[in-house]
Amino acid sequence: EVQLVQSGAEVKKPGESLKISCKVSGDSFTTYWIAWVRQMPGKGLDCIGIIYPGDSDTKYSPSVQGQVIISVDTSITTAYLQWSSLRASDTAMYYCARLRSGTYFRGGFDFWGQGTLVSVSS
Amino acid sequence: QSVLTQPPSASGTPGQRVTISCSGSSSNIGSNTVNWYHQLPGAAPKLLIYVNDQRPSGVPDRFSGSKSGTSASLAISGLQSEDEADYYCAAWDDSLNVWLFGGGTKLTVL
Repeated sequence: EVQLVQSGAEVKKPGESLKISCKVSGDSFTTYWIAWVRQMPGKGLDCIGIIYPGDSDTKYSPSVQGQVIISVDTSITTAYLQWSSLRASDTAMYYCARLRSGTYFRGGFDFWGQGTLVSVSS
Repeated sequence: QSVLTQPPSASGTPGQRVTISCSGSSSNIGSNTVNWYHQLPGAAPKLLIYVNDQRPSGVPDRFSGSKSGTSASLAISGLQSEDEADYYCAAWDDSLNVWLFGGGTKLTVL
C-alpha cells in the first residue's frame, strides 16, 4: 500500500530556516505529482504547490511564490518543503499528498501524509 | 476568502440526505474536474469523490458527486453520525495555476 510518512513537528523562531520531508513508499515515486497542503490553525485547506518527481517540474501557489521551495530526492523517494526565513504566519499543519492522476490538473489527492505541525514564534 | 465558495455549515438527522454545494468560475470548476474530501478532527483529509462523480475504492455509495457549469455538489444519503466532519471541494484553476480548495463545510449530524 502507498504510504506517505512525514517528518516530525517543528518549533522555530522567526527568521530561522526549515526543511520538512515526506517519504513515499509502496508505489512509483516518479510518475505521480506530490502536493504540499497547508492548514492554518482552525482554517481550511490551501495547496501551496505541487511537484512532479520525474522531472522536478514545480508549480507554486501565488500566495507562497518565492517564500518556499519544493523539491525531491528521487534516490530516497522523498519530497521536501523548505523555508529560508520563517514568519509567524507560517505556523500551520503541512500535509503532503499524492495526486492519483499523472496529469497535474485532474484526479484527486488519494494518499496523504499524517501532517507536520510547524510552529513559529519568538 | 476562497475562490471556491461552500456554505460554512450544513446539518441533518440520521438517515437524511444532505447536499453541500461548491461554486466556482470558468477558470476552475467550469473547465476542470472537481474532487471532494472530508476531514475528521485531528486527522488528515480523505478523498471522497474525484473527477466530479467517481468514488475511490472503499468509499460507500452513500456519497455521490455531480457538476454542472461552474458549480458542483456533494450528496450524502442515509446520513450517519460518523459522517460528522469538515467537507472540502477542490479543483485546478487555469488562471492561478494551482489547486484550489473551497473554504470547507462543517457537517453536523443532529
